[in-house]
Amino acid sequence: DADVTQTPRNRITKTGKRIMLECSQTKGHDRMYWYRQDPGLGLRLIYYSFDVKDINKGEISDGYSVSRQAQAKFSLSLESAIPNQTALYFCATSDSGAGTGSRVYGYTFGSGTRLTVV
Amino acid sequence: QKEVEQDPGPLSVPEGAIVSLNCTYSNSAFQYFMWYRQYSRKGPELLMYTYSSGNKEDGRFTAQVDKSSKYISLFIRDSQPSDSATYLCAMSAIRGYSTLTFGKGTMLLVSP
Repeated sequence: DADVTQTPRNRITKTGKRIMLECSQTKGHDRMYWYRQDPGLGLRLIYYSFDVKDINKGEISDGYSVSRQAQAKFSLSLESAIPNQTALYFCATSDSGAGTGSRVYGYTFGSGTRLTVV
Repeated sequence: QKEVEQDPGPLSVPEGAIVSLNCTYSNSAFQYFMWYRQYSRKGPELLMYTYSSGNKEDGRFTAQVDKSSKYISLFIRDSQPSDSATYLCAMSAIRGYSTLTFGKGTMLLVSP
């Protein structure tokens, strides 16, 4: 099984619909992130959570909300989807960096959710 | 000016070539530098990690950081078609207390 699992892998939805993207991880990491990736714009941070009780807005949080249901689960919601939210969405995890070793701080990404809003 | 600048490419090279990928940045507080590789339809995966200035080598890959010039590089020796991917640089100021800032990625195509 993948360390970071995103569901669904692909989704087509209509404008105005509410949609939830889910992310679960088995890494035991305390930090989780949601990014969107668009051609020419790269990865942009939507929301991040450093632990279960911590939620922070990223650079493009408008139109999105998140819920950290447990250490291992972080979901992203689009309350009323619009076409310019069509993108590839990635969930990522990392630990707090308290450990030793260079790879401890690296982000582990899921395989992504391709969302199309029509 | 964007915090991290990276040429989007595509960069096309023949198999066996030495590849140089680069990023410039403006935030002098950045201390932790990473390179991620992203294959088509996949999530990025961590390739190299460097703290502060200097070089780090891992097999065919060398990461180089020049903080005085705010410039980082990734070199790939003896490039292979399997290296064809998008390479993203990423950096942060404080380990564990800040998020990563990513470059937009450079697409690399290695032809057989």
